Amino acid sequence: EAGVAQSPRYKIIEKRQSVAFWCNPISGHATLYWYQQILGQGPKLLIQFQNNGVVDDSQLPKDRFSAERLKGVDSTLKIQPAKLEDSAVYLCASSPPTADSGNTIYFGEGSWLTVV
Amino acid sequence: AQRVTQPEKLLSVFKGAPVELKCNYSYSGSPELFWYVQYSRQRLQLLLRHISRESIKGFTADLNKGETSFHLKKPFAQEEDSAMYYCALLGGSEKLVFGKGTKLTVNP
Repeated sequence: EAGVAQSPRYKIIEKRQSVAFWCNPISGHATLYWYQQILGQGPKLLIQFQNNGVVDDSQLPKDRFSAERLKGVDSTLKIQPAKLEDSAVYLCASSPPTADSGNTIYFGEGSWLTVV
Repeated sequence: AQRVTQPEKLLSVFKGAPVELKCNYSYSGSPELFWYVQYSRQRLQLLLRHISRESIKGFTADLNKGETSFHLKKPFAQEEDSAMYYCALLGGSEKLVFGKGTKLTVNP
């Protein structure tokens, strides 16, 4: 089966500019996650969607980050304005209904952001 | 709150030696624990989960609720095991929390 798709793979922007990342989860997966992984650290959950509703966005810096999942499929993550400390890999992940997977979460390859 | 601690950032062993990657967790409920692996230039992928009680690529991990640990073990390390390993805990609302990871290097 096709995996989680993300784009762009790499992006370099100047601070105070904006950037958007796109994610297409595995077909049929109801839950979608965005993680931020700063170099040398483990992934940190930014936001979790169940279909098109937000389950958890407690660690999303809402003054500059926003995410949406229209129609419960694809999702976009936006940063505006970007700061130097936003330089990280942004990982999208998805998981099927619990009964189907035993809570297995599948990750995309990530979008590498460098803010200069 | 859920928290995962991997005390070793780096771990280096020789091929054929046993390896143990440590993971401790903090969670008030009944945890579900995973090990994820990321090989060079590849995506993060599931290695194993405690509910399956399986051995993948020779790795095993046992959940010890008394010690709140979920250490990953392999009796004979191989060079292809070199990678970043992340321990993760699934808590309430299907929220998956990761440790900071351990970089395993298996030397020839």
